[in-house]
Amino acid sequence: SQKIEQNSEALNIQEGKTATLTCNYTNYSPAYLQWYRQDPGRGPVFLLLIRENEKEKRKERLKVTFDTTLKQSLFHITASQPADSATYLCALWMDSSYKLIFGSGTRLLVRP
Amino acid sequence: GAVVSQHPSWVICKSGTSVKIECRSLDFQATTMFWYRQFPKQSLMLMATSNEGSKATYEQGVEKDKFLINHASLTLSTLTVTSAHPEDSSFYICSASVQRAAGVTYEQYFGPGTRLTVT
Repeated sequence: SQKIEQNSEALNIQEGKTATLTCNYTNYSPAYLQWYRQDPGRGPVFLLLIRENEKEKRKERLKVTFDTTLKQSLFHITASQPADSATYLCALWMDSSYKLIFGSGTRLLVRP
Repeated sequence: GAVVSQHPSWVICKSGTSVKIECRSLDFQATTMFWYRQFPKQSLMLMATSNEGSKATYEQGVEKDKFLINHASLTLSTLTVTSAHPEDSSFYICSASVQRAAGVTYEQYFGPGTRLTVT
C-alpha cells in the first residue's frame, strides 16, 4: 500500500529564511500531490496541487516541486514569517480509489 | 469561495448516546464529501466517502452501523456517531471536493472540525 513519509520532527527556522519541507512516498506516483496547512484544532487548508507531469508550482511565497523519479515532493516557503508556523501536510490523490492519503505532517516553527 | 462549515464545533456527550455532526458546503455544490478522524499529533484518517444520493463507502475497519453517514443534498452531509463510547472521542473533520465544469479537480476543502468528547 502507498505510504507517505514526512519528517516528524519540527522544523525550527528564523524569520526571513526559506523553509523546506519534504514528502516522500512509496510505490507508484500519484496523479496529483497536494499540500495543506493545518493549525491546531482546525481543519486543513488547501495550499497547492501539483500534477505528475509538472515539476514545479508556485503561489506567492510558496513553491512545490514534484520528482516522480525520486518519489519526492519539496515544499518551500520563502521569506518565512511567524504566521507561517503551522503543521504542513502532504497528501496524495489515489486515482484507483478516488481518495486522498495524508502524511502525518511536519510542524514548522518560525522564530521572530 | 469553497467554504465548508461544520456544526457543532465541539460536543461533550455521555457514553451510550448518539451525536450528529453536520457538514455543509456554503458556496458550492459538493457531489462528494469525505469524513476523517484525527487523533492528537496524528494524521487524518479517512473514515468514509459520501456521495450525494447514494450510500457512503466506508474504509476498512470503520463500522458503518456505528458511524452513520447521510448525504441528503449537494450541500449537506451528516455523520452520526451511534452509542458513543470514550474511545470514539476524537477530532472529526469533513471535506468536500469541488467539481468544475471542465472536469473534476481533486483539491479538498475542509471544515473546521468537530471535537467530540465522550464521558
